Parts: sequence; structure tokens; C-alpha cells
Amino acid sequence: NAGVTQTPKFQVLKTGQSMTLQCAQDMNHEYMSWYRQDPGMGLRLIHYSVGAGITDQGEVPNGYNVSRSTTEDFPLRLLSAAPSQTSVYFCASSYARSGGGAYNEQFFGPGTRLTVL
Amino acid sequence: QKEVEQDPGPLSVPEGAIVSLNCTYSNSAFQYFMWYRQYSRKGPELLMYTYSSGNKEDGRFTAQVDKSSKYISLFIRDSQPSDSATYLCAMSYSSASKIIFGSGTRLSIRP
Repeated sequence: NAGVTQTPKFQVLKTGQSMTLQCAQDMNHEYMSWYRQDPGMGLRLIHYSVGAGITDQGEVPNGYNVSRSTTEDFPLRLLSAAPSQTSVYFCASSYARSGGGAYNEQFFGPGTRLTVL
Repeated sequence: QKEVEQDPGPLSVPEGAIVSLNCTYSNSAFQYFMWYRQYSRKGPELLMYTYSSGNKEDGRFTAQVDKSSKYISLFIRDSQPSDSATYLCAMSYSSASKIIFGSGTRLSIRP
């Protein structure tokens, strides 16, 4: 298993450009999430999906779009890049368990380092 | 006020020392408490989790949850240079809900 893969690893954009960050997982996980990580801010949830065709907003969704047409893929789209979106972006996936004390571990990808000039 | 507070460090200790990492939280509805470890330029990986209150031990690592004080801790015994990383606490309401992360504590173990 490749686990969670993300492309590209690095990207530099100019203000106003658009781009899509790719995320794929081969573990048949229902849940997929996008986070951004900034110094001193930890991981903040951008968008998440509980299954194909279902997405919802997280803590910091503005400026980002997502869709989930398949279980495996969960791309993140930046519509018009801004310097405030300079960050490291992580995609994660997990099973959806029913509780009883068992925790659904989130598996993270290696991240995409994005710089917006 | 953030839901989860964590001292960012950095924390530097000599090899072999006992390390204590802590987080506080404000929402008493959290039921799952996790510690993730993140090496430089890598994605976080789950180190340990605890359901509700109590202690959990795994080798040199011990996780503690005190729900009455809204306080969680991670202890690392006989610390090694390979433990040098950023440690993020995280919490969720259920096993299948969103996770709230702390800001992370950067730890360095000096040989």
C-alpha cells in the first residue's frame, strides 16, 4: 500500500493564480480531510469528506474548494491564490468506526509546501 | 480562546531524561485524546490515543488524561535523540468526528 499520497511536494504561485492540490489514498478509507499547518497555529482543518459525494467545511474553508467523486481521491482547489495561503498542506484519511473506545487513526500524507508570492 | 492549548516550546533535554509534554482543553465533551509525532518535513503520525480518562502505557511512552482538570500529558522515559520531533496533542468528540489539534511542542533530545 502506498498509503496517502500528495502531489506536488512543492509549489510556488503568484497572487491570483489557481491550482489543485492532489490527494489519493489506497486504504479504502471513508474519511478524508485537508489541513493547513502554519507556525504556532498547529493543524487547522480546511475541508473534510465522510464519503464519496459528501463534503463539509472545517475551521478555515475560505478560498478553498473540494469535491469527492471517488473514495480514493480528494483534491483541494485554490481558486485565486493569496499570500495568506502560503502554508504546508496535509491530506489525511481514516476509517469511520462506530465507537466503543476504538479510535479511527488519521493517516497523513507527506504534505505540499505552497508559497504564494 | 483556543479549544486546545499547547506550549510550543522549544523544549531541549539531555538524552536519558524524562520528558513531560502537556495540553489543556476547554470543551468537556472531548472523549478521545491523541498524541501525534511529526518529524521535520514529514506528516504527523499517531503515537498514542486514550479513550476517556486514565493512563495508557506503550513502551517508553505514557499518556495520561485528567478530565476533571481538562489536562492531558505525554511522558517519555529514557529519551533518545530519535525522539526529537514536534509532538501534537489532538482531541475529538467521538471516534468518527473532526479532530482538534494543539499547536505542537518542538522537542529536542541532546546526545
